[in-house]
Amino acid sequence: TQLLEQSPQFLSIQEGENLTVYCNSSSVFSSLQWYRQEPGEGPVLLVTVVTGGEVKKLKRLTFQFGDARKDSSLHITAAQPGDTGLYLCAGAPYNQGGKLIFGQGTELSVKP
Amino acid sequence: GAGVSQSPSNKVTEKGKDVELRCDPISGHTALYWYRQSLGQGLEFLIYFQGNSAPDKSGLPSDRFSAERTGGSVSTLTIQRTQQEDSAVYLCASSSWDISGELFFGEGSRLTVL
Repeated sequence: TQLLEQSPQFLSIQEGENLTVYCNSSSVFSSLQWYRQEPGEGPVLLVTVVTGGEVKKLKRLTFQFGDARKDSSLHITAAQPGDTGLYLCAGAPYNQGGKLIFGQGTELSVKP
Repeated sequence: GAGVSQSPSNKVTEKGKDVELRCDPISGHTALYWYRQSLGQGLEFLIYFQGNSAPDKSGLPSDRFSAERTGGSVSTLTIQRTQQEDSAVYLCASSSWDISGELFFGEGSRLTVL
């Protein structure tokens, strides 16, 4: 059974601070995705990383896929209240078609 | 609309009753997923359909849960003899299985079992 462990589970910070969310597994994934979810809505894709060691930047968000394809991180610079939400990582196990396994999520609150 | 549509958005039922949740995926998407989400938690994989292949049912928590997808489009998740622990938001997603692998989610069906 593939599991994705996210940490921290909860994070409350002040506007302007930096933060990092981690997603770890003992399994190898063909790709890994990060989603953001707001209350009452479905998750929305932020990024997909497919190559070990890959780094992608999306404005103030930086995503990294570990060299061994077992872990990933999301770093937010100068967090803003609009970044508040539930951040979910999701991995695609090898040889299981398009099946996607989600982590338990990181609830981020950015206070003005 | 062009997005994933789920119905009902809210369902309150009594313990022991059967419920059906419906998902209308984005037209042309070959992959369809069902996930379950408890309050503030991550998504628990339930079942995955891809084209005409046999569905991956490995996440269904018990034989009270079943799902079908008719004509490669609309899907129905059925929960028989509901229990209180079935209370959750049931999310459906579809994907075109392109290089991004992006899943497009509906807003979910919130199920409350009294």
